Amino acid sequence: EAGVTQSPTHLIKTRGQQVTLRCSPISGHTSVYWYQQALGLGLQFLLWYDEGEERNRGNFPPRFSGRQFPNYSSELNVNALELEDSALYLCASSGGLSVGRSEAFFGQGTRLTVV
Amino acid sequence: AQSVAQPEDQVNVAEGNPLTVKCTYSVSGNPYLFWYVQYPNRGLQFLLKYITGDNLVKGSYGFEAEFNKSQTSFHLKKPSALVSDSALYFCAVRDYSGGYQKVTFGTGTKLQVIP
Repeated sequence: EAGVTQSPTHLIKTRGQQVTLRCSPISGHTSVYWYQQALGLGLQFLLWYDEGEERNRGNFPPRFSGRQFPNYSSELNVNALELEDSALYLCASSGGLSVGRSEAFFGQGTRLTVV
Repeated sequence: AQSVAQPEDQVNVAEGNPLTVKCTYSVSGNPYLFWYVQYPNRGLQFLLKYITGDNLVKGSYGFEAEFNKSQTSFHLKKPSALVSDSALYFCAVRDYSGGYQKVTFGTGTKLQVIP
């Protein structure tokens, strides 16, 4: 079974630009979570999508947005990039009502550097 | 609203000594609890979970965790720490109430095992 895949793995952008990060969940998972992790620190919750809808949003400005597609893959968009947006962006998926599939699985992340 | 607290930003332990990484939680329904580990520049890896049953859960790499309902805690433990256990550890809780499977993560605890 393929795991959660994220693309690209690394990205360098200039301040003020826009970026789109992509995530493909594990097959059968309906929930996708996005997290920001700066400087190897804790996870900051960004967004949660389930069944194509935004279910919850973390304390981030509106220039952070995203969507989930009918195949449950997801995009994270960040507009007007700022230097402090430099971080590892992690995507996780979960789903299934059976107990055995209750944990979330993470991708390897996208390392975004804003210069 | 559900929440997870990891009261210690960092835990230092000597190699060969037992280790404990603390986690407390708050949910409205029955908690499903998880521990993850993150090595530098990598995504999170699932370690173990508590769903129901025995309060002592055994997971990967010799780790175990004890669910304590009265103290709403789920501390991660290992009888003998290895230098290779040095990493960032995250506790997470999942609450099935309301029909949505939201996962909430703690802020993480850095474990440093000293040779």
